[in-house]
Amino acid sequence: GENVEQHPSTLSVQEGDSAVIKCTYSDSASNYFPWYKQELGKGPQLIIDIRSNVGEKKDQRIAVTLNKTAKHFSLHITETQPEDSAVYFCADSGYSTLTFGKGTMLLVSP
Amino acid sequence: DVKVTQSSRYLVKRTGEKVFLECVQDMDHENMFWYRQDPGLGLRLIYFSYDVKMKEKGDIPEGYSVSREKKERFSLILESASTNQTSMYLCASSFQSSNQPQHFGDGTRLSIL
Repeated sequence: GENVEQHPSTLSVQEGDSAVIKCTYSDSASNYFPWYKQELGKGPQLIIDIRSNVGEKKDQRIAVTLNKTAKHFSLHITETQPEDSAVYFCADSGYSTLTFGKGTMLLVSP
Repeated sequence: DVKVTQSSRYLVKRTGEKVFLECVQDMDHENMFWYRQDPGLGLRLIYFSYDVKMKEKGDIPEGYSVSREKKERFSLILESASTNQTSMYLCASSFQSSNQPQHFGDGTRLSIL
């Protein structure tokens, strides 16, 4: 990808609420969109990904949606828990390299 | 489970020193990557490698070089460390097929004094 914008940079929610993080991309050739979660002191860990031939993908409390026409994709976390608190990164890829957004710090308060 | 191991969690070096950061993966991945992570800037790609002895520049290669003598090992080299290279360095690996997820190590926090 060329450029990935991620919003918001910080997000505070109460336990049990939903959280949504949005990303936009500029490279029309991008066709792979992973999301990573980074906990304090650890490297980013892949939590979900979506390819361009799919509009939505869900894995338990986490879902990702993709709108190729508008060039944006979003991460949805339902029924948030304190252990969801972390920094989340979106990324896009047209080939083998990833372009990352600048990250969203999610804080889930008990 | 994929395991990407970075040799040091914390490293302190002096300006002008030659610094080596080592990364090893155990999943027979063809691709390996080095990123630096800075607050507010996200992850930026320094160098990557598709195969042994192959290397490609990423977005910010200046001041760095890499070495890939074996498939499982990818080294990042700071030829003459400077204070603006103080950062968190992350190594990742993936299969070579397009659109494969990258798996990250836990990072090396490098301080240049």
